[in-house]
Amino acid sequence: AAGVIQSPRHLIKEKRETATLKCYPIPRHDTVYWYQQGPGQDPQFLISFYEKMQSDKGSIPDRFSAQQFSDYHSELNMSSLELGDSALYFCASLDRDNTEAFFGQGTRLTVV
Amino acid sequence: GDSVTQMEGPVTLSEEAFLTINCTYTATGYPSLFWYVQYPGEGLQLLLKATKADDKGSNKGFEATYRKETTSFHLEKGSVQVSDSAVYFCALSKRGYSTLTFGKGTMLLVSP
Repeated sequence: AAGVIQSPRHLIKEKRETATLKCYPIPRHDTVYWYQQGPGQDPQFLISFYEKMQSDKGSIPDRFSAQQFSDYHSELNMSSLELGDSALYFCASLDRDNTEAFFGQGTRLTVV
Repeated sequence: GDSVTQMEGPVTLSEEAFLTINCTYTATGYPSLFWYVQYPGEGLQLLLKATKADDKGSNKGFEATYRKETTSFHLEKGSVQVSDSAVYFCALSKRGYSTLTFGKGTMLLVSP
């Protein structure tokens, strides 16, 4: 069965650079959530989208932005990267009945 | 705000031992409760869930009962295996899956 696809799996950037993370939800899932998980930390909710519109916002820095496109994939854009942005970034998609969230394997971002 | 508190790890057990990982929550209203498991290098997988008081979620030998009177959702398994070694996250949501609030995770290490 198709799962949530995130790309890239690993990314290394320098401070002050920009990064774009992509998430491809399970087909026919119209809701996408982004989470940030620092080393040894629990996942923190960043932002969510439903039917291409932002539906909820968590602890997402102003340097980050995100959107959901017409094919329901989502991109998280991160600018002016800081060392503290190094983390595992998860995307999750939800089925139309909202009964289960499916997580991708994450993008590990390292800022040096 | 809403919060989830889990027992700190690591929890170290021998194979076939009994497992309990404590989880308590603080939330207004009637949250849904979840346990997620994260194997090394992988994304989060839903292990089990309960959506109302006294519900028992179960999967792969794991069980957890939604106790509203004690605001708890402790995870139990009668006989752990080496393959159960992972990080376990307790989580809650108040609007289906709109946002998941996670506990800090408990690492389980099972030795042969």
